[in-house]
Amino acid sequence: KAGVTQTPRYLIKTRGQQVTLSCSPISGHRSVSWYQQTPGQGLQFLFEYFSETQRNKGNFPGRFSGRQFSNSRSEMNVSTLELGDSALYLCASSPMGVAGGLNTGELFFGEGSRLTVL
Amino acid sequence: AQKITQTQPGMFVQEKEAVTLDCTYDTSDQSYGLFWYKQPSSGEMIFLIYQGSYDEQNATEGRYSLNFQKARKSANLVISASQLGDSAMYFCAMRDKLSGSARQLTFGSGTQLTVLP
Repeated sequence: KAGVTQTPRYLIKTRGQQVTLSCSPISGHRSVSWYQQTPGQGLQFLFEYFSETQRNKGNFPGRFSGRQFSNSRSEMNVSTLELGDSALYLCASSPMGVAGGLNTGELFFGEGSRLTVL
Repeated sequence: AQKITQTQPGMFVQEKEAVTLDCTYDTSDQSYGLFWYKQPSSGEMIFLIYQGSYDEQNATEGRYSLNFQKARKSANLVISASQLGDSAMYFCAMRDKLSGSARQLTFGSGTQLTVLP
């Protein structure tokens, strides 16, 4: 069974540009969530999608957005990039539905997209 | 207030020995879940073990066990018979009803484990 696939793995952008990252979840998984990992802030929750709808969003500015397609693949977009957006962006998929309980299941992470903003 | 605390930025252990990675958590919920993930240099977060707040027994998965002390709010990871491939960053994480959803985990700052030959 293929794991979570994230593309691109590495990318370099300059301030003010925008970037789109892609995530293909494990086949059959309908929930996709995104995390940002930086040395200073650690791992922080960005947002979660299920059935093409954003279900939950972390404390990030509106420059960070995402979407999910009917095949459960997800993209996240960061507009007007800032130096502080340099990070590893991790996508995680889960088989759990919206009604999934708190005490069930783990998240399956991809290897991440490492973004450098110059 | 920080919800997950990992006080050991780095740990060293000799190959084949056991090691304990500390994790304390803070929540007012009675229902919550605790996770440990391993992150090698490749970046992928690998699930290791899960403990539910109502689980009466400590979770075990192969060489990994979770020392769950509910009253002390601690969930330490124990790795037995360390292997060189265990060298990685280890994260403790929690989700509770305040997390917003079942997929929103709060992570600790991590412990970098180095296994020495």
